[in-house]
Amino acid sequence: GENVEQHPSTLSVQEGDSAVIKCTYSDSASNYFPWYKQELGKRPQLIIDIRSNVGEKKDQRIAVTLNKTAKHFSLHITETQPEDSAVYFCAASNSGNTPLVFGKGTRLSVIA
Amino acid sequence: ETGVTQTPRHLVMGMTNKKSLKCEQHLGHNAMYWYKQSAKKPLELMFVYNFKEQTENNSVPSRFSPECPNSSHLFLHLHTLQPEDSALYLCASSHKQGNGYTFGSGTRLTVV
Repeated sequence: GENVEQHPSTLSVQEGDSAVIKCTYSDSASNYFPWYKQELGKRPQLIIDIRSNVGEKKDQRIAVTLNKTAKHFSLHITETQPEDSAVYFCAASNSGNTPLVFGKGTRLSVIA
Repeated sequence: ETGVTQTPRHLVMGMTNKKSLKCEQHLGHNAMYWYKQSAKKPLELMFVYNFKEQTENNSVPSRFSPECPNSSHLFLHLHTLQPEDSALYLCASSHKQGNGYTFGSGTRLTVV
């Protein structure tokens, strides 16, 4: 089955700096890669996703890149703000066929 | 609310009790999931229902028993739990399996 590894487990950045979180996956059949943000005491929320036919996707300060050959994908947050502080999870699936498998999460702290 | 409602929000139960967690979605989604979130294993898949049929049981102990009477409702029946079962239990749904989850707010379970 699919295995998703996520690094780093914790990340601290200064406000205004960029943050990068990286994930690798094992199943070459996976074709859907979402990222979720979970604030303290709240539910995970989808912030961006990418499919295997696309190499990069951007939404304002958030971008995701995918390298299918290397089986890794990354989340990039630019101009970080204190409200970006949360736990971020990456995930992978074969859309329509298998459930999402999540990474172990990255706790991001943005220091004002 | 997100469209996925979980009740109760908090539950304290003894090891000999029987209780049930409820999840309800009116998003027209066809797949529903139970995930266990704890410090040791964040977002651990438990059960998957696709069009009311259970398609995955991720080696979950029999003291957890799922039920999906229709596409909008999902239950998790609990009996003779152990203290290590204390965790946040998250329900999610999606239009098709493994794609674009919407999470509920979770049930914080404490087994005493």
